[in-house]
Formats: sequence, structure tokens, C-alpha cells
Amino acid sequence: GAVVSQHPSWVICKSGTSVKIECRSLDFQATTMFWYRQFPKQSLMLMATSNEGSKATYEQGVEKDKFLINHASLTLSTLTVTSAHPEDSSFYICSASPPREKLFFGSGTQLSVL
Amino acid sequence: QKEVEQNSGPLSVPEGAIASLNCTYSDRGSQSFFWYRQYSGKSPELIMFIYSNGDKEDGRFTAQLNKASQYVSLLIRDSQPSDSATYLCAVGSGNNRLAFGKGNQVVVIP
Repeated sequence: GAVVSQHPSWVICKSGTSVKIECRSLDFQATTMFWYRQFPKQSLMLMATSNEGSKATYEQGVEKDKFLINHASLTLSTLTVTSAHPEDSSFYICSASPPREKLFFGSGTQLSVL
Repeated sequence: QKEVEQNSGPLSVPEGAIASLNCTYSDRGSQSFFWYRQYSGKSPELIMFIYSNGDKEDGRFTAQLNKASQYVSLLIRDSQPSDSATYLCAVGSGNNRLAFGKGNQVVVIP
């Protein structure tokens, strides 16, 4: 099946620093990718839809200046958490789908902000 | 905002028994319904999807959809210890934007 690669798997950073997470579709082109966040024992919450070549679409309540999304190619979307704070600590997951197929998820990134 | 509810608490089932999970959704326009399995610290893994009313079986898993009542369920037959995980219900409207339920933890007791 299709593979979505996400990197890094985990990251620990100091408060105030920025962290970049990459999401790659390895064997298909993805014009759209999705970024989710999941807090412990909570549901996956859609943060934004990443659109290749255009601006991302953010869900209500998600700060676009804090969570920068870049989808510069058909196989790569990046999420940058800017000026991270402890409350941003969470499990971030990207997803994408080949045309007319189901969504596949990346392996997720556990972010811990000290 | 679409709402997807999974209200049951942790479910403990003996090995070999049937585990039954339920999910309700609020958006009548929803078109696609998914069950994902998520192990602790891992990303979700798709195990079943269903689009039409009725039952869909795949191995030990059966998904049931009732659009009139706005619920979708998952049955796991012959439960195995490896089935111990959190099961997430997800609902979509045809554009791959999915709304997820909170999940149900299943513990299969050997």
C-alpha cells in the first residue's frame, strides 16, 4: 500500500524554539495532505489541510502564524511549530491519500516542549 | 463542525469473545465511515471502511452502518490479545477531511 513517511518520530525542544516536522508521500503524489494533533487519550483533531502550491486551510481555532505549513512539492509538506511552548507538546500526525484511495497516516511525531 | 461520539469506556473481553464497538455521528451528509486501530504511541491504522448501509465483513472484523440512525459499529470476532488497542471511528464527507471520535480502548484478556 501507499506509504506516508513522517520525520522526526520524536523531538524534545526548549520553550521558545521552532520545530519543523516533515511529511512525505513516498510512492504517490499528494496535492493535499492533512495535519492532525492528538493529546493523550484524546481524539485526533484536524489542524489544517495542506494544499500543494497554495496556502493551507486552517481549522477554526488553529493559529496559522504559530503552525506554519508549507507544501512546496507534490510529495512533501512541512509543519513548523513556531515559538513552541509546553502546551504545544502533543502527538502530530500527517496523512495523505493517492487519488481515489483511502487516507494513509504517517508514523507521527511526538513533540515535547520543555 | 462534525461530531463523532464514542461514549463507551474501556472494553475488556476474554480471548476468543466478540468485542462490539459503537459510534454515532451528527452530520447527516457524511458519506464515508472508517474504523482505525491505534496502538499506544503509534499512528492510526485503517482496519475497515464502509460507505453503504448494512454490514461489511473482512476477516474477523465486521462494520455495520445505519445512516438513518446515524451510527456505525465494529465487531471483532475471536478477539486476540493483539487486538488490544484503541479503536477510532472516523467520518468523512467525501473529501478525505475526516472527523474522529475519541476512541474506545479494547483490552483482550488471555
